[in-house]
Formats: sequence, C-alpha cells, structure tokens
Amino acid sequence: NAGVTQTPKFRVLKTGQSMTLLCAQDMNHEYMYWYRQDPGMGLRLIHYSVGEGTTAKGEVPDGYNVSRLKKQNFLLGLESAAPSQTSVYFCASSYGTSHTQYFGPGTRLTVL
Amino acid sequence: AQKITQTQPGMFVQEKEAVTLDCTYDTSDQSYGLFWYKQPSSGEMIFLIYQGSYDEQNATEGRYSLNFQKARKSANLVISASQLGDSAMYFCAMIQPDTGFQKLVFGTGTRLLVSP
Repeated sequence: NAGVTQTPKFRVLKTGQSMTLLCAQDMNHEYMYWYRQDPGMGLRLIHYSVGEGTTAKGEVPDGYNVSRLKKQNFLLGLESAAPSQTSVYFCASSYGTSHTQYFGPGTRLTVL
Repeated sequence: AQKITQTQPGMFVQEKEAVTLDCTYDTSDQSYGLFWYKQPSSGEMIFLIYQGSYDEQNATEGRYSLNFQKARKSANLVISASQLGDSAMYFCAMIQPDTGFQKLVFGTGTRLLVSP
C-alpha cells in the first residue's frame, strides 16, 4: 500500500499562473481533505470531500477549487496563484470524519 | 469555538528520558476525539495516537501515551525513553463537530529536540 500520495512534491509559480495538485489514496477511504500549513499556524482545512462526486468548503477555501471525480483521487486547483498561497499543502484521507486521517507527504508551493 | 492550545513552542530532552508535551482544548461538546501527529523535518504528518472522549483508559501506543484529563480539558502526550529520531514537531488535534461534518482542528505545534 502506498497510502496517500501527492504530486508534485515541489512547485514554483508566478503570480497569476494556475496549477493542479493531485492527491491519490489506495485505502478505499470515503473522505478526503486538503490542508495548508503555514508557519506558526498549524494546519488549516481548505476543502474536503465526503465521497466521490462531492466537495465542500473548509476553513480557508478562497482562491482554491477541488474536484473528486474518482473515489481515490482528490484534486486541488489554483486558478490564479497569489503570493499569499505560498504554503505547504497536505492531502489526507479517512474512513469517516471521526476516524484517523492519514496524510500524504505534502507539496511545497512557492508563488513569486 | 473549539480550540487547541499548545503552549510549549519548543522542548528539549535528553536521550532515554521521558518528556511530556502539553495540549489543552476547549469544546462544549460531550463527544470528541483527540489526536497527536508527529512531523519530522522531512515534512510528512505521522499519526501517533488517538483518545476518544468516552474512553475510560488513557490511550497508549508503544512509547507514546496520552495523559487524558477530561475535567481539565487536557490531553498531554508522554513519550517515554526518548530517542534521537523523536526530534520533530508534534501537533495536537481535535475532532470538531460542525454541522454534520467533523473537522480536525490543529494546535500550533511543539518542536521537540532530543539530545544525545
């Protein structure tokens, strides 16, 4: 089992560029999540999904969009990147919302 | 609003000694879950231990134990016999019920440094 994987691991964007982060899990989890981690702030939830074809906003959704076309994949998109989106992005998955979330290795994104 | 507080930005411990990382939480809900995650310098988030609010016994996982004091709303992580590989950031987190969805809320973390 690979668990939760994320691509890419690192990315540098210029302001206004777009990109998509891919998260994949092979644990047959229903729930998937995208977080961002900023220094001194812990992790904050961007968007989440409770099943294939469903998505919902988390704590800090502005500037991001997500899609869950397949159960095992959860995509995070930035349509027009801003320097404030420089962060480390983590994907996670779980069987249910009260169950342990397992995290991917993270993607370090820098927006210049 | 539910909140997790980790008041120790950094902790130092010598190898083979025990260390306690503090975590207090604030919630009005009776049912909740508490987690600890480890984040080494490589960046990944590693699940360590879980405690449910109705669990009567403190959770243990190998060298990790959770000192759960419900009345004080604290969920401290105890690491026994520290190892050099324990040097990392440690995050306390709580499941927060939120209109049918249970959101995981994180504290700001404690950096642990284990010295030889």
